Amino acid sequence: AQSVTQLGSHVSVSEGALVLLRCNYSSSVPPYLFWYVQYPNQGLQLLLKYTSAATLVKGINGFEAEFKKSETSFHLTKPSAHMSDAAEYFCAVLSLSGSARQLTFGSGTQLTVLP
Amino acid sequence: EPEVTQTPSHQVTQMGQEVILRCVPISNHLYFYWYRQILGQKVEFLVSFYNNEISEKSEIFDDQFSVERPDGSNFTLKIRSTKLEDSAMYFCASSSGSQGQPQHFGDGTRLSIL
Repeated sequence: AQSVTQLGSHVSVSEGALVLLRCNYSSSVPPYLFWYVQYPNQGLQLLLKYTSAATLVKGINGFEAEFKKSETSFHLTKPSAHMSDAAEYFCAVLSLSGSARQLTFGSGTQLTVLP
Repeated sequence: EPEVTQTPSHQVTQMGQEVILRCVPISNHLYFYWYRQILGQKVEFLVSFYNNEISEKSEIFDDQFSVERPDGSNFTLKIRSTKLEDSAMYFCASSSGSQGQPQHFGDGTRLSIL
């Protein structure tokens, strides 16, 4: 079974500071990994995806993530936080068992950006 | 940009009543999904649907749940006899393929069972 662990349910950074949101996965096969963002009262918006191509993946809004197989990690980063980045962030792994394509989500990290 | 739309945004229902949550997936997508998020908990997979049949369902998706694609555009989730513990945010998603193509989510329906 696949699983995702997000370390830190709440992360606070100052505006302009580096954002680092941690995600570790477990998977018996090479995974497909995703980061989604959820703004208040909205759905899940895809930030970026890893599908076995380049290990450094660039997404929307200046976010990027690096797939590290040796560490089973897929941490999300942004060099300089903006107030508009305040939201909840979810890491997810795609199960490829049989015909199923279900996403397994981490528990989420709430990002607060301080002025 | 095409998007998944869900209606209603908020549904309040008496316990024991039937409820239908509606979704319009992205038009050229072939795979459809329902997830739910109980307040303060993880987003959980409920069911996936392809070629007019269920591909996979989770343990949560018991006999009280059903899905249907009644026409070429809508995808519905029905809960036959709602329970208090069905209160959650329900998300619909769709994808164009099943080989790592991302799932695109709607804004969700908040279901409140009284």
